[in-house]
Amino acid sequence: GAGVSQSPSNKVTEKGKDVELRCDPISGHTALYWYRQSLGQGLEFLIYFQGNSAPDKSGLPSDRFSAERTGGSVSTLTIQRTQQEDSAVYLCASSKAGGPFEQFFGPGTRLTVL
Amino acid sequence: GQNIDQPTEMTATEGAIVQINCTYQTSGFNGLFWYQQHAGEAPTFLSYNVLDGLEEKGRFSSFLSRSKGYSYLLLKELQMKDSASYLCAVLTTDSWGKLQFGAGTQVVVTP
Repeated sequence: GAGVSQSPSNKVTEKGKDVELRCDPISGHTALYWYRQSLGQGLEFLIYFQGNSAPDKSGLPSDRFSAERTGGSVSTLTIQRTQQEDSAVYLCASSKAGGPFEQFFGPGTRLTVL
Repeated sequence: GQNIDQPTEMTATEGAIVQINCTYQTSGFNGLFWYQQHAGEAPTFLSYNVLDGLEEKGRFSSFLSRSKGYSYLLLKELQMKDSASYLCAVLTTDSWGKLQFGAGTQVVVTP
């Protein structure tokens, strides 16, 4: 596609439920990133994929968070047993490779945990 | 870990110049990025510096001093559409994919 797309754009869920967030990167981009941004804060790195493997998942806040990438393309971020502190905008980005390359960001998924 | 500091907010008048400073403390520095983020939108790339010096790109310029752990983004001939948050982000050699972002500087352009 023309840019990075994410779905859903908004997700409201109840505490304790599981959620799945989807990211479709720019075609041909081998690197994919997940970040989250809380209100008024900078971006917090979560995980980085190169192809289908994740060389750096150091930013995942707890074992309730997991992510996978299949076919070197689509990625899903799963949050199990959501908590109110998980409420944030989750941003996905892709770049042609890992490292010093421009990252193109998607519009984000706004997650609200009630 | 890395400490990345930038001012919270700056206000300037349309047509003026604003300089947004970013200081960082990190090991294994591998470059610094600036991104622009309008409210409610995704960040967009502005610049990347890995060598000392000034990179100019139209109305925007970015400077880096590796020895001082310091960068600035210079916005010239400010326009109302430049009102946005400007994010400084550092790439380090310990992770090829992990950008560490500062909290962002909100620039408000007034008429």
